Amino acid sequence: KAGVTQTPRYLIKTRGQQVTLSCSPISGHRSVSWYQQTPGQGLQFLFEYFSETQRNKGNFPGRFSGRQFSNSRSEMNVSTLELGDSALYLCASSLRGARADTQYFGPGTRLTVL
Amino acid sequence: DQQVKQNSPSLSVQEGRISILNCDYTNSMFDYFLWYKKYPAEGPTFLISISSIKDKNEDGRFTVFLNKSAKHLSLHIVPSQPGDSAVYFCAPPGGSEKLVFGKGTKLTVNP
Repeated sequence: KAGVTQTPRYLIKTRGQQVTLSCSPISGHRSVSWYQQTPGQGLQFLFEYFSETQRNKGNFPGRFSGRQFSNSRSEMNVSTLELGDSALYLCASSLRGARADTQYFGPGTRLTVL
Repeated sequence: DQQVKQNSPSLSVQEGRISILNCDYTNSMFDYFLWYKKYPAEGPTFLISISSIKDKNEDGRFTVFLNKSAKHLSLHIVPSQPGDSAVYFCAPPGGSEKLVFGKGTKLTVNP
């Protein structure tokens, strides 16, 4: 069974630009969560989608948004990039969600904002 | 406000010895705890979990202990192996489908 895949793996953008990251969950998984990892803050929850609906959202500004498609693939968008958005963005999938099932993480997308 | 604290950013042990990684939490509503391991350039992978109705869970070389009154968990790895060198995260599920991660402890096992 293929694991969680994320594209692209690396991305370099400049301040003010926008970026879209993609996540393909494990086949059959309906829950997709996004996390941001930075050296100072560790891993922080961004949002979770289940069956195309955002079910939970973390404490991030509105510049961070996401969506999920009918095939459970998810995209995350960050608009008006700031230097502080430089981070590793991780996607995790599970059958029903973090409280019910083990989450499986992708390798992440490393975003650098210059 | 950090709900999950891993106060040791790093730990170094000799191969064959015991590694003990600690985690403290503040939210008494947490009823389930997971440990994840993360290698560089990879996403975290699930290692072991414990429910709040237990005080110990063992899986091979890995044992997690839970002290609910102290709001404290510890992960024991015995014997430690060089391949265990990674960052370990304590991550209870918070409300509504999210994991609340500690900042992690980087374990280095020296041959």
